[in-house]
Amino acid sequence: ETGVTQTPRHLVMGMTNKKSLKCEQHLGHNAMYWYKQSAKKPLELMFVYNFKEQTENNSVPSRFSPECPNSSHLFLHLHTLQPEDSALYLCASSQSGGPTGELFFGEGSRLTVL
Amino acid sequence: AQTVTQSQPEMSVQEAETVTLSCTYDTSESDYYLFWYKQPPSRQMILVIRQEAYKQQNATENRFSVNFQKAAKSFSLKISDSQLGDAAMYFCAYRSIGAGNQFYFGTGTSLTVIP
Repeated sequence: ETGVTQTPRHLVMGMTNKKSLKCEQHLGHNAMYWYKQSAKKPLELMFVYNFKEQTENNSVPSRFSPECPNSSHLFLHLHTLQPEDSALYLCASSQSGGPTGELFFGEGSRLTVL
Repeated sequence: AQTVTQSQPEMSVQEAETVTLSCTYDTSESDYYLFWYKQPPSRQMILVIRQEAYKQQNATENRFSVNFQKAAKSFSLKISDSQLGDAAMYFCAYRSIGAGNQFYFGTGTSLTVIP
């Protein structure tokens, strides 16, 4: 596999469920990100990990819990979510300090909270 | 924090014609990256074109080119000879150089290509 892979692609959960989103990158990058994409709004940065260390937490509610066990894998653990958390969650990676500076995105996980 | 503004929520273009998507940004930094990303319906967001702020020459990638006006903090995307496959959401993005790995995105422009 190449690029950035996200699973599952679609997830429906109740407000009391616990689920996780998974992201894996095969690009050798050292930075990974979670973004939330809602209609008519800019992409919202949630978390950034550099070399497995969390360097950014954009005031995200504690019902979202990230985990980065190594520089290739990133998880987003979800619990006690609200209907307004329904959105497309995008994972991305980049090479910190690299010459191109761009983000590479996964296809996203479409989350629906009932 | 930097802000990125895309003032055109929706645009349409006739196939084979040219369209320009607008983007402005606010920053006090002198060096940074600017990007245009394309997100087709239900598909992955991909990079269209990149511009380094220290470069005066406008970036081009085949049918895609930018008009980078640093003083005006403007970064528009021109798509020439539009094709049906160009239909997508287009996002303008800003990235600082050196100050962490923060990217700032606009709200996007939905482009429709009319056959």
